[in-house]
Amino acid sequence: EAQVTQNPRYLITVTGKKLTVTCSQNMNHEYMSWYRQDPGLGLRQIYYSMNVEVTDKGDVPEGYKVSRKEKRNFPLILESPSPNQTSLYFCASRPGLLMEEQYFGPGTRLTVT
Amino acid sequence: AQKVTQAQTEISVVEKEDVTLDCVYETRDTTYYLFWYKQPPSGELVFLIRRNSFDEQNEISGRYSWNFQKSTSSFNFTITASQVVDSAVYFCALRYHTGGFKTIFGAGTRLFVKA
Repeated sequence: EAQVTQNPRYLITVTGKKLTVTCSQNMNHEYMSWYRQDPGLGLRQIYYSMNVEVTDKGDVPEGYKVSRKEKRNFPLILESPSPNQTSLYFCASRPGLLMEEQYFGPGTRLTVT
Repeated sequence: AQKVTQAQTEISVVEKEDVTLDCVYETRDTTYYLFWYKQPPSGELVFLIRRNSFDEQNEISGRYSWNFQKSTSSFNFTITASQVVDSAVYFCALRYHTGGFKTIFGAGTRLFVKA
């Protein structure tokens, strides 16, 4: 089944404790993104990747890192999480650059206390 | 500036009413795509429609219809004869070429359909 998976789905952590949210897609898509969803703000892009080893900042990259060592995986790293990173996070992938729809993962709800 | 505005934060209707969700966008690009997504209470994001900037034909899919008007930079979404299962948050999104083929989303409109 074609899908985007994220793990964990739920995470409660404390300020400053490094964490990684994994994202994997099995559709051989080139383009992958991370978004965060906050009430009243919609989805905002954190980072994106147009291919292996090609990543760039989205609109809200502060406090986050990503890597794209393999085509299928695009982990999101929070080196020192803070309470303002409490949010719902979505990973997405799509086969091309402009016209194709994005396939979203199920979301990861992160709480930083 | 590239921007998507969904001015309606919440809409409440009674079942079988028609409802229109507004979406206004801004972009300098001449080639772009517009999307609508549905987020039901379970939280996943469901793709509804894609429209490119050169195709202003309206589209109908069952009870759903979309009206794209470049003259007013709008891409509105109408649900006819709404049902309780239509209760969700709906997002309009814009994808453009400049700056990495990013997709930007509106803030979303929460639709409540009461039985």
